[in-house]
Amino acid sequence: GQQVMQIPQYQHVQEGEDFTTYCNSSTTLSNIQWYKQRPGGHPVFLIQLVKSGEVKKQKRLTFQFGEAKKNSSLHITATQTTDVGTYFCSFGNEKLTFGTGTRLTIIP
Amino acid sequence: GAVVSQHPSRVICKSGTSVKIECRSLDFQATTMFWYRQFPKQSLMLMATSNEGSKATYEQGVEKDKFLINHASLTLSTLTVTSAHPEDSSFYICSARTEVETQYFGPGTRLLVL
Repeated sequence: GQQVMQIPQYQHVQEGEDFTTYCNSSTTLSNIQWYKQRPGGHPVFLIQLVKSGEVKKQKRLTFQFGEAKKNSSLHITATQTTDVGTYFCSFGNEKLTFGTGTRLTIIP
Repeated sequence: GAVVSQHPSRVICKSGTSVKIECRSLDFQATTMFWYRQFPKQSLMLMATSNEGSKATYEQGVEKDKFLINHASLTLSTLTVTSAHPEDSSFYICSARTEVETQYFGPGTRLLVL
């Protein structure tokens, strides 16, 4: 079946630095969603991308869907301590398959 | 946004007992709910899809007789872990899908089986 890998698995950044996580699929995706899970919490929906080459922004977060719809990225500009957590990409219509996640820690 | 609740938030039980976890959509009707399991530092793994009024659809490798799912109404789905063992200790999370197909997750239930 379809598999989605995320890189990096872990990322430690100094507060104020940028952060990017990448999601790569072996097959073409119809859509992709991004979720954030704080330590000890549950996944919170961030965004869904559907169109090839789509770029969406939410304040300091920029989401991109690749032209071939096989990869996606989440970029955070000037990280803050509130950005700590694990970021998951997922895909699917009826049911979601989650990527392996990228755990972000911030050094104050 | 849509709110999904789960009860209990934490449960500790003895090996061999059964545990029931409730998932409720508080401000919308969810024809479909999903149950996930997440082990520490791992991703969410879908266990089953729960449809109101019909039998749940289980993912490969998930024992349906061990993880009983009941979706009795458009706002409630329950997961019962029968004869729980220490290896069943995990974070169980439900989600409910809205009409626009966005999934909203419950706060999760941490199960510890001694």
